[in-house]
Amino acid sequence: NAGVTQTPKFQVLKTGQSMTLQCAQDMNHNSMYWYRQDPGMGLRLIYYSASEGTTDKGEVPNGYNVSRLNKREFSLRLESAAPSQTSVYFCASSARGLGSGANVLTFGAGSRLTVL
Amino acid sequence: KNQVEQSPQSLIILEGKNCTLQCNYTVSPFSNLRWYKQDTGRGPVSLTIMTFSENTKSNGRYTATLDADTKQSSLHITASQLSDSASYICVVSAGYKLSFGAGTTVTVRA
Repeated sequence: NAGVTQTPKFQVLKTGQSMTLQCAQDMNHNSMYWYRQDPGMGLRLIYYSASEGTTDKGEVPNGYNVSRLNKREFSLRLESAAPSQTSVYFCASSARGLGSGANVLTFGAGSRLTVL
Repeated sequence: KNQVEQSPQSLIILEGKNCTLQCNYTVSPFSNLRWYKQDTGRGPVSLTIMTFSENTKSNGRYTATLDADTKQSSLHITASQLSDSASYICVVSAGYKLSFGAGTTVTVRA
């Protein structure tokens, strides 16, 4: 039982390059999320998908796009990477969506992205 | 300004000792409060979730308390082990929004 799997684990990009972070969960969860974690700050929500076929902006969506490919997969795309997007990115999933009470989020191991 | 403040930022304790981490929040309206453990290089893992009506919840050697009146929570680690070395993150839920604290880094030394 893998839980939430993210790829790649590490990536170095040059300013202006594009890339996609992949996320897949095998727990049959309805909701999926992308967060970024920066030093000295709490995790911040970039985008989320309450269910297959829907996506919504979080707190810091600028510079990112997402695709909920199917129930299992939720990808995050950086179209033109900037140094401010250097961060650790976490994908998470939950059986129910935010606002559904005490839903537990299961996180992936993270993807460390450096933009030069 | 972060609506979830954790203290201390970091602490070092000897193996076998106890420690208490603090979380103060201004998030409103309150739905529930969660504590997560994040090992270095890993994603956060849920320890406890407490709703408004719960003021204590335990998970093995971890005990969380909640005072919804003063908007404070604490996480107590009993008889610490080397494997408790990690960052502990307080998360407060307000409806559709989760607010994350910056975490307290705990280092347990032999």
